Amino acid sequence: DAKTTQPNSMESNEEEPVHLPCNHSTISGTDYIHWYRQLPSQGPEYVIHGLTSNVNNRMASLAIAEDRKSSTLILHRATLRDAAVYYCILRDDLVSYDGSSNTGKLIFGQGTTLQVKP
Amino acid sequence: DVKVTQSSRYLVKRTGEKVFLECVQDMDHENMFWYRQDPGLGLRLIYFSYDVKMKEKGDIPEGYSVSREKKERFSLILESASTNQTSMYLCASSLLTSGRETQYFGPGTRLLVL
Repeated sequence: DAKTTQPNSMESNEEEPVHLPCNHSTISGTDYIHWYRQLPSQGPEYVIHGLTSNVNNRMASLAIAEDRKSSTLILHRATLRDAAVYYCILRDDLVSYDGSSNTGKLIFGQGTTLQVKP
Repeated sequence: DVKVTQSSRYLVKRTGEKVFLECVQDMDHENMFWYRQDPGLGLRLIYFSYDVKMKEKGDIPEGYSVSREKKERFSLILESASTNQTSMYLCASSLLTSGRETQYFGPGTRLLVL
C-alpha cells in the first residue's frame, strides 16, 4: 500500500471547522482513501472513505484533489468529542484471497493528533 | 451497527502464563484480524483469518497463535506470556479484504504481563 503523510498535530476551537490534510503522492489508480480515528483508550473507528469524488457522511466530509495526490478530512463543527488521532490510510482495491497481495490489513501511520479547545 | 466485542478491557498476567483473548463480531463478517498497538510503532498485524478454521500469519506472529472455530469468534492465544507482549490488542473484522471495505474494531484489550 502506498504511503501517506500527515501533520503530527493540529489544534482547533470547539464548534469551528477543522481541515485535516493528507498527502499521498504515490497513490495508485485502485487505491481507496480511508480515514479512521482513534479516541483515547478506544479502538480505531471508521470515519469515511472515497476513491475519486468528494464524499459526505454524518461524521465528516472527504475532499479529494483532482490528481488524487492529496485529500482533506473536514469536520464541519468540531466538538470536544472529536479530539482523537486521525489516520489517513490507502487501501488497494485489488483482492487476493491467497494473501499474497492483499491481506486486508490496515497500515496505520502516526496520524494527526487533533486537540479541540473549548 | 456492527459490533465487535473483546472479552476484557484490561488484563494482568504473569510471565509464562497462557493467555486467551477473545473477539466476537455480530455481522457475519468473513475476515477477522488481530493487531497490537504500541507507542511509536502504530498498529501491527499479528494474525488474520479469511474463514472458519483458516488463519494466516501477519507481520509479527511469533509468540502468538489463533483459533477460529466459529465464524463470529476469533481468539488470540499467547502460549507463554512474556513482558514484551505487554501491549494494547485490537481485534477487527470486515466483510471482504478489498480496498473499499471498512474494518470494524473492538474496544481493545490492554494487557500487562508482569
